[in-house]
Amino acid sequence: DTAVSQTPKYLVTQMGNDKSIKCEQNLGHDTMYWYKQDSKKFLKIMFSYNNKELIINETVPNRFSPKSPDKAHLNLHINSLELGDSAVYFCASTTRPGRSGANVLTFGAGSRLTVL
Amino acid sequence: GQSLEQPSEVTAVEGAIVQINCTYQTSGFYGLSWYQQHDGGAPTFLSYNALDGLEETGRFSSFLSRSDSYGYLLLQELQMKDSASYFCAVRDQASGATNKLIFGTGTLLAVQP
Repeated sequence: DTAVSQTPKYLVTQMGNDKSIKCEQNLGHDTMYWYKQDSKKFLKIMFSYNNKELIINETVPNRFSPKSPDKAHLNLHINSLELGDSAVYFCASTTRPGRSGANVLTFGAGSRLTVL
Repeated sequence: GQSLEQPSEVTAVEGAIVQINCTYQTSGFYGLSWYQQHDGGAPTFLSYNALDGLEETGRFSSFLSRSDSYGYLLLQELQMKDSASYFCAVRDQASGATNKLIFGTGTLLAVQP
């Protein structure tokens, strides 16, 4: 009954390879995100989808391509992996907050990507 | 743009009280949130302040002063399990994306026996 689940949890691969991370949420949320957490623990937003529509696309290299087949799923595909892509990638979801409401994100357990 | 600054590390002993500060610069403001992240774990929501003042949730309290662009998380009766990273966060209004959450630099809290 995990709320936000990501697979795989660990991913070790060589530079130049292509890899994907999958995310699913069973909370009925409309909005899903990908965040990247680097070695200094800085959490940076990458993408956000609302009901399968891309609404946030930060200045991320176009080697990163998100896909949302439905509002419960958000996948991240990375082409031509580089050393600097090594990080923990977190999927998260939320409902749309009201004007003064908290935007409470529920995060997945994270996918630790190591590029050798 | 948005920026949120926090101290990088704080150390305290069990049973003590610790305050983790957050100063922010935003082009719009809908409230300040706090998240906790244990080593190897996922960030989890702790608290939210939309208005000035103190919000209390058990041993944790969060304070906001919008005029000072400042907030803090107060942890009382510290326990070893409180050792974690703590992040403040705000919703980014600059882009018009009302559900874009920007996180602070994070504070690593080490609780010692």
